[in-house]
Amino acid sequence: KNQVEQSPQSLIILEGKNCTLQCNYTVSPFSNLRWYKQDTGRGPVSLTIMTFSENTKSNGRYTATLDADTKQSSLHITASQLSDSASYICVVSANTGFQKLVFGTGTRLLVSP
Amino acid sequence: NAGVTQTPKFRILKIGQSMTLQCTQDMNHNYMYWYRQDPGMGLKLIYYSVGAGITDKGEVPNGYNVSRSTTEDFPLRLELAAPSQTSVYFCASSYSTGEAFFGQGTRLTVV
Repeated sequence: KNQVEQSPQSLIILEGKNCTLQCNYTVSPFSNLRWYKQDTGRGPVSLTIMTFSENTKSNGRYTATLDADTKQSSLHITASQLSDSASYICVVSANTGFQKLVFGTGTRLLVSP
Repeated sequence: NAGVTQTPKFRILKIGQSMTLQCTQDMNHNYMYWYRQDPGMGLKLIYYSVGAGITDKGEVPNGYNVSRSTTEDFPLRLELAAPSQTSVYFCASSYSTGEAFFGQGTRLTVV
């Protein structure tokens, strides 16, 4: 069964601190892995997208890693800001002819002043 | 550049009523999708379309219908609203297997 699991479920950090969010997946056949940021009451917005051959991808203060052998990914946020408070969703795309996106339930991050 | 636009943003329906959620995109994407997001759950695919005139069921299609007469528009129809359809609905589009862009969502409550 295709699944994406994220941890932790929620996280509170102080402004300026770093944090790492985890994603484990069992999706086959694998096409790519994406991280999305979803602000409260808004649609998800893409942060990164990585294919099988990519280990690391950065987008400003966001750095995603992918280990396709262990089927794990992480999203590292550096020098957190209050605006980073949001849900972060790991999404794995299955290459089934049609791009099937399998969504994790997200990690809810709160950055506290 | 508007991206993906959904209307309405909020709606309250009575049980048994019908409505159409509108979705339009201006990026000339061939793929369009409808998802629902329930509290504490990942987004679930309702219907999708790989091009004008082509639609197919996703994971949770019961109680919904779609059409894709143009590349830009992908409306979602609820025929007989039920409390189980209370959710937040997101429309998205992409160019084939590329990055998916999401609308702002429609929060629907069925009472």
